[in-house]
Amino acid sequence: EIVMTQSPATLSVSPGERATLSCRASQTVTTNLAWYQQKPGQAPRLLIYGASTRATGIPARFSGSGSGTEFTLTISSLQSEDFAVYYCQQYNDWPPTFGQGTKVEI
Amino acid sequence: QVQLVESGGGLVKPGGSLRLSCAASGFTFSDYYMNWIRQAPGKGLEWVSYISSSGNTIYYADSVKGRFTISRDNAKNSLYLQMNSLRAEDTAVYSCARLPAATYWYFDLWGRGTLVTVSS
Repeated sequence: EIVMTQSPATLSVSPGERATLSCRASQTVTTNLAWYQQKPGQAPRLLIYGASTRATGIPARFSGSGSGTEFTLTISSLQSEDFAVYYCQQYNDWPPTFGQGTKVEI
Repeated sequence: QVQLVESGGGLVKPGGSLRLSCAASGFTFSDYYMNWIRQAPGKGLEWVSYISSSGNTIYYADSVKGRFTISRDNAKNSLYLQMNSLRAEDTAVYSCARLPAATYWYFDLWGRGTLVTVSS
């Protein structure tokens, strides 16, 4: 199965700053890559699919890029509600697999 | 309101059984392909099982194959996971999640999950 590796494990940023999260696949997943946000006690929320397409209702400050094995989620100007754990997931190959997550904290 | 709500988790001894339920509302449940995904304490997300909209096609992760059974009742807008021969490593929060379409294996709607603890 494809192994997804996220970095860093924890990202410390201030409100208003830019955050850049990385996700690497052990083999190519083309652009079959999704990003999720999870806050404590809440269900994960789909942010990005197809590596760069924002899901319905997701603010424009969230953007995804990359293809093949290297992907990036960028939050252009962090808001207080953006502090959470972010997961990437590949769906190019079965079974679908997730990264271990990046915690974005103040 | 479009949502998924899981129930049925709890504490069970190794070798025991548990049945999880997921109640769907706010959308046409019978149109969607459904999954169970789990997250062990301090660990990442692991896909567990898939069932097609009609229930005719089912997949399992190797880690649960032969022990877990996924099913659905479209008349009751409900998804189920029967878990048998439980092990300590099955301890996790179990969430149900929806695929937007059969060929797109990302998850566009998730429940909050229900905690399963396997311990003596």
